Amino acid sequence: QQPVQSPQAVILREGEDAVINCSSSKALYSVHWYRQKHGEAPVFLMILLKGGEQMRHEKISASFNEKKQQSSLYLTASQLSYSGTYFCGAGQGAQKLVFGQGTRLTINP
Amino acid sequence: DTGVSQDPRHKITKRGQNVTFRCDPISEHNRLYWYRQTLGQGPEFLTYFQNEAQLEKSRLLSDRFSAERPKGSFSTLEIQRTEQGDSAMYLCASSKGILGNEQFFGPGTRLTVL
Repeated sequence: QQPVQSPQAVILREGEDAVINCSSSKALYSVHWYRQKHGEAPVFLMILLKGGEQMRHEKISASFNEKKQQSSLYLTASQLSYSGTYFCGAGQGAQKLVFGQGTRLTINP
Repeated sequence: DTGVSQDPRHKITKRGQNVTFRCDPISEHNRLYWYRQTLGQGPEFLTYFQNEAQLEKSRLLSDRFSAERPKGSFSTLEIQRTEQGDSAMYLCASSKGILGNEQFFGPGTRLTVL
Protein backbone atom coordinates (compact mmCIF):
# COMPACT_ATOMS: atom_id res chain seq x y z
CA GLN A 1 0.00 0.00 0.00
CA GLN A 2 1.30 3.42 -1.00
CA PRO A 3 2.60 5.68 1.80
CA VAL A 4 0.87 9.02 2.14
CA GLN A 5 2.87 12.22 1.93
CA SER A 6 1.85 15.61 3.24
CA PRO A 7 1.66 18.32 2.23
CA GLN A 8 1.21 17.75 -1.50
CA ALA A 9 2.89 21.04 -2.32
CA VAL A 10 4.88 23.72 -0.51
CA ILE A 11 5.98 27.16 -1.65
CA LEU A 12 8.77 28.82 0.32
CA ARG A 13 11.02 31.80 0.11
CA GLU A 14 14.73 31.11 0.12
CA GLY A 15 15.95 30.67 3.68
CA GLU A 16 12.66 29.38 5.09
CA ASP A 17 12.19 25.94 6.64
CA ALA A 18 9.86 23.12 5.63
CA VAL A 19 8.73 19.74 6.91
CA ILE A 20 7.48 16.91 4.69
CA ASN A 21 5.76 13.93 6.25
CA CYS A 22 5.41 10.36 5.07
CA SER A 23 3.02 7.89 6.72
CA SER A 24 2.48 4.22 6.10
CA SER A 25 -0.30 1.87 7.17
CA LYS A 26 2.08 -1.08 6.87
CA ALA A 27 5.08 -1.88 9.02
CA LEU A 28 8.19 -0.23 7.66
CA TYR A 29 11.63 -1.76 7.44
CA SER A 30 13.19 1.41 6.11
CA VAL A 31 12.28 4.80 4.65
CA HIS A 32 14.16 6.22 1.68
CA TRP A 33 13.99 9.87 0.67
CA TYR A 34 14.57 11.08 -2.88
CA ARG A 35 14.44 14.42 -4.65
CA GLN A 36 13.45 14.60 -8.30
CA LYS A 37 13.76 17.63 -10.55
CA HIS A 38 11.57 17.98 -13.60
CA GLY A 39 12.62 15.62 -16.37
CA GLU A 40 15.34 13.98 -14.30
CA ALA A 41 15.67 10.74 -12.34
CA PRO A 42 15.11 10.63 -8.57
CA VAL A 43 18.27 11.40 -6.62
CA PHE A 44 18.89 9.50 -3.39
CA LEU A 45 19.06 11.75 -0.31
CA MET A 46 19.10 9.46 2.69
CA ILE A 47 17.80 6.27 4.22
CA LEU A 48 16.38 5.68 7.64
CA LEU A 49 16.41 2.23 9.11
CA LYS A 50 14.21 0.75 11.76
CA GLY A 51 16.02 1.30 15.03
CA GLY A 52 18.47 3.67 13.35
CA GLU A 53 19.44 7.23 14.03
CA GLN A 54 18.18 10.47 12.57
CA MET A 55 20.03 11.15 9.33
CA ARG A 56 21.33 14.33 7.77
CA HIS A 57 22.32 15.41 4.25
CA GLU A 58 23.69 18.96 4.14
CA LYS A 59 20.91 21.07 5.70
CA ILE A 60 18.31 18.36 5.22
CA SER A 61 17.60 15.93 8.02
CA ALA A 62 15.04 13.19 8.57
CA SER A 63 13.57 11.16 11.38
CA PHE A 64 11.75 7.84 11.58
CA ASN A 65 9.08 7.17 14.19
CA GLU A 66 8.67 3.40 14.18
CA LYS A 67 5.66 3.37 16.47
CA LYS A 68 3.73 5.73 14.23
CA GLN A 69 5.17 4.25 11.01
CA GLN A 70 5.99 7.78 9.99
CA SER A 71 9.02 9.63 8.69
CA SER A 72 9.57 13.37 8.44
CA LEU A 73 12.01 15.27 6.23
CA TYR A 74 13.24 18.61 7.56
CA LEU A 75 14.63 21.23 5.20
CA THR A 76 16.42 24.02 7.04
CA ALA A 77 17.29 27.41 5.54
CA SER A 78 16.11 26.26 2.14
CA GLN A 79 18.15 27.05 -0.97
CA LEU A 80 16.93 27.50 -4.53
CA SER A 81 18.56 24.18 -5.39
CA TYR A 82 16.18 22.38 -3.03
CA SER A 83 13.28 22.89 -5.44
CA GLY A 84 11.83 19.71 -6.83
CA THR A 85 9.51 16.89 -5.90
CA TYR A 86 10.37 14.88 -2.81
CA PHE A 87 9.38 11.23 -2.61
CA CYS A 88 9.50 8.88 0.30
CA GLY A 89 9.96 5.23 -0.51
CA ALA A 90 8.76 2.65 1.97
CA GLY A 91 11.01 -0.35 2.20
CA GLN A 92 8.90 -3.37 3.01
CA GLY A 93 11.54 -5.98 3.49
CA ALA A 94 14.94 -5.53 1.91
CA GLN A 95 13.52 -5.49 -1.59
CA LYS A 96 11.33 -3.12 -3.54
CA LEU A 97 10.33 0.37 -2.58
CA VAL A 98 6.76 1.61 -2.57
CA PHE A 99 6.76 5.34 -3.21
CA GLY A 100 4.44 8.04 -1.99
CA GLN A 101 2.76 10.41 -4.40
CA GLY A 102 5.36 13.10 -3.84
CA THR A 103 5.56 16.59 -2.36
CA ARG A 104 6.33 19.41 -4.77
CA LEU A 105 8.61 22.01 -3.21
CA THR A 106 9.05 25.41 -4.82
CA ILE A 107 11.66 27.80 -3.49
CA ASN A 108 11.36 31.40 -4.59
CA PRO A 109 14.16 33.97 -4.25
CA ASP B 1 30.68 8.02 -14.92
CA THR B 2 30.06 4.97 -12.74
CA GLY B 3 26.35 5.52 -12.15
CA VAL B 4 23.39 3.62 -13.56
CA SER B 5 22.98 4.15 -17.28
CA GLN B 6 19.95 3.55 -19.49
CA ASP B 7 19.53 3.44 -23.23
CA PRO B 8 17.80 4.92 -25.11
CA ARG B 9 16.87 8.07 -23.22
CA HIS B 10 13.85 8.67 -25.37
CA LYS B 11 11.77 6.36 -27.53
CA ILE B 12 8.81 7.24 -29.71
CA THR B 13 6.94 4.35 -31.22
CA LYS B 14 3.64 3.56 -32.85
CA ARG B 15 0.99 1.53 -31.11
CA GLY B 16 1.49 -2.17 -31.67
CA GLN B 17 5.26 -2.01 -32.09
CA ASN B 18 7.73 -3.75 -29.79
CA VAL B 19 10.35 -1.80 -27.86
CA THR B 20 13.35 -2.83 -25.78
CA PHE B 21 15.20 -0.79 -23.17
CA ARG B 22 18.58 -1.47 -21.64
CA CYS B 23 19.91 -0.75 -18.17
CA ASP B 24 23.52 -0.99 -17.00
CA PRO B 25 23.71 -0.94 -13.21
CA ILE B 26 26.56 0.21 -11.00
CA SER B 27 29.14 -2.52 -11.42
CA GLU B 28 29.30 -3.92 -7.89
CA HIS B 29 25.52 -3.88 -7.40
CA ASN B 30 23.85 -7.28 -7.53
CA ARG B 31 20.26 -6.05 -7.35
CA LEU B 32 18.53 -4.37 -10.24
CA TYR B 33 15.05 -2.86 -10.28
CA TRP B 34 12.67 -1.59 -12.91
CA TYR B 35 10.11 1.08 -12.09
CA ARG B 36 7.60 2.99 -14.18
CA GLN B 37 6.68 6.60 -13.52
CA THR B 38 3.85 8.60 -15.02
CA LEU B 39 3.42 12.34 -14.80
CA GLY B 40 2.73 13.58 -11.28
CA GLN B 41 3.18 10.18 -9.66
CA GLY B 42 5.91 8.43 -7.77
CA PRO B 43 7.78 5.52 -9.35
CA GLU B 44 5.85 2.24 -9.40
CA PHE B 45 7.70 -1.02 -8.92
CA LEU B 46 7.68 -3.40 -11.88
CA THR B 47 10.25 -6.11 -11.19
CA TYR B 48 13.62 -6.81 -9.64
CA PHE B 49 16.58 -9.13 -10.06
CA GLN B 50 19.17 -10.45 -7.70
CA ASN B 51 22.05 -11.31 -9.95
CA GLU B 52 20.42 -13.11 -12.90
CA ALA B 53 17.35 -14.33 -10.99
CA GLN B 54 14.09 -12.43 -11.38
CA LEU B 55 12.69 -12.59 -7.85
CA GLU B 56 9.54 -10.52 -8.00
CA LYS B 57 7.16 -9.16 -10.61
CA SER B 58 4.43 -6.64 -10.01
CA ARG B 59 0.87 -7.32 -11.08
CA LEU B 60 1.35 -4.16 -13.16
CA LEU B 61 3.63 -6.19 -15.39
CA SER B 62 1.28 -7.70 -17.96
CA ASP B 63 2.17 -10.56 -20.29
CA ARG B 64 3.35 -8.00 -22.82
CA PHE B 65 6.24 -7.03 -20.55
CA SER B 66 9.32 -9.16 -20.08
CA ALA B 67 12.61 -8.44 -18.38
CA GLU B 68 15.90 -10.28 -18.41
CA ARG B 69 19.27 -10.03 -16.79
CA PRO B 70 21.10 -12.87 -18.51
CA LYS B 71 24.53 -12.65 -16.91
CA GLY B 72 23.67 -10.75 -13.79
CA SER B 73 25.02 -7.53 -15.23
CA PHE B 74 22.92 -5.41 -17.63
CA SER B 75 19.18 -5.89 -17.95
CA THR B 76 16.65 -5.44 -20.72
CA LEU B 77 12.96 -4.61 -20.49
CA GLU B 78 10.86 -5.45 -23.52
CA ILE B 79 7.32 -4.30 -24.17
CA GLN B 80 5.47 -6.11 -26.92
CA ARG B 81 2.49 -4.71 -28.83
CA THR B 82 2.80 -1.34 -27.16
CA GLU B 83 -0.34 0.55 -26.15
CA GLN B 84 -0.80 4.26 -25.52
CA GLY B 85 -1.16 3.51 -21.82
CA ASP B 86 2.44 2.28 -21.81
CA SER B 87 3.66 5.84 -22.31
CA ALA B 88 5.73 6.65 -19.23
CA MET B 89 9.25 7.07 -17.90
CA TYR B 90 10.88 3.70 -17.30
CA LEU B 91 13.44 3.89 -14.53
CA CYS B 92 16.10 1.42 -13.63
CA ALA B 93 17.76 1.35 -10.22
CA SER B 94 20.45 -0.78 -8.66
CA SER B 95 21.61 -1.57 -5.16
CA LYS B 96 24.15 -3.68 -3.31
CA GLY B 97 21.35 -5.62 -1.69
CA ILE B 98 22.69 -5.20 1.83
CA LEU B 99 21.02 -3.80 4.94
CA GLY B 100 19.05 -0.72 4.04
CA ASN B 101 19.26 -1.42 0.35
CA GLU B 102 19.89 2.11 -0.94
CA GLN B 103 18.73 2.20 -4.55
CA PHE B 104 20.36 4.48 -7.11
CA PHE B 105 18.38 5.42 -10.19
CA GLY B 106 19.43 5.81 -13.78
CA PRO B 107 18.29 8.73 -15.97
CA GLY B 108 15.32 6.78 -17.30
CA THR B 109 13.90 6.02 -20.73
CA ARG B 110 10.93 8.13 -21.71
CA LEU B 111 8.55 6.12 -23.88
CA THR B 112 5.90 7.78 -26.00
CA VAL B 113 3.42 5.54 -27.79
CA LEU B 114 1.53 7.28 -30.57
